[in-house]
Amino acid sequence: DTGVSQNPRHKITKRGQNVTFRCDPISEHNRLYWYRQTLGQGPEFLTYFQNEAQLEKSRLLSDRFSAERPKGSFSTLEIQRTEQGDSAMYLCASSHDSQKGQTEAFFGQGTRLTVV
Amino acid sequence: RKEVEQDPGPFNVPEGATVAFNCTYSNSASQSFFWYRQDCRKEPKLLMSVYSSGNEDGRFTAQLNRASQYISLLIRDSKLSDSATYLCVVIEGTGGFKTIFGAGTRLFVKA
Repeated sequence: DTGVSQNPRHKITKRGQNVTFRCDPISEHNRLYWYRQTLGQGPEFLTYFQNEAQLEKSRLLSDRFSAERPKGSFSTLEIQRTEQGDSAMYLCASSHDSQKGQTEAFFGQGTRLTVV
Repeated sequence: RKEVEQDPGPFNVPEGATVAFNCTYSNSASQSFFWYRQDCRKEPKLLMSVYSSGNEDGRFTAQLNRASQYISLLIRDSKLSDSATYLCVVIEGTGGFKTIFGAGTRLFVKA
């Protein structure tokens, strides 16, 4: 396990279609984050998981977006009825939280979504 | 007010120059602070953590001022390879441990 893995790396979809992205975090990391990044902006927080529990969701995450981490390992982010405004890079990151504190977040290479 | 604010730049500096970036955060309960570097079309990568006492890593120095709620990054003797976007990152500790990124400061180092 050399890092955070995301797939697919690129996704082109027609408006109105559903898409699902997968993230495999670093294996011992209990925290997993999803971010969205558009050109010229920093990553925007979408949601995060502590093990399998989804602890926080941004108001950016409309009801068309849903994320799961069913077994506390990999996570999926689904976007239903995609819109052109959903076009962005979707980044996944993981970190580990323990009594000693929290490690920094390590990022995957992202999934670039283009909605046409 | 944004949770984490940075001057977007760009900062255009010659090789060898010293450049400083500042970042302010709104949540006084924030617990941990980092600087990340992001190259064009790449994922962000940790540059350095920021400690209350200040810390240095080679040409890079990070400072934290909790009273004023700002973080700084100083780069000395800039190299062409320092050209990137520098992201200020804050981990909030109120109710959830959320990692918030600033929008980034773009740096161009020219020969």
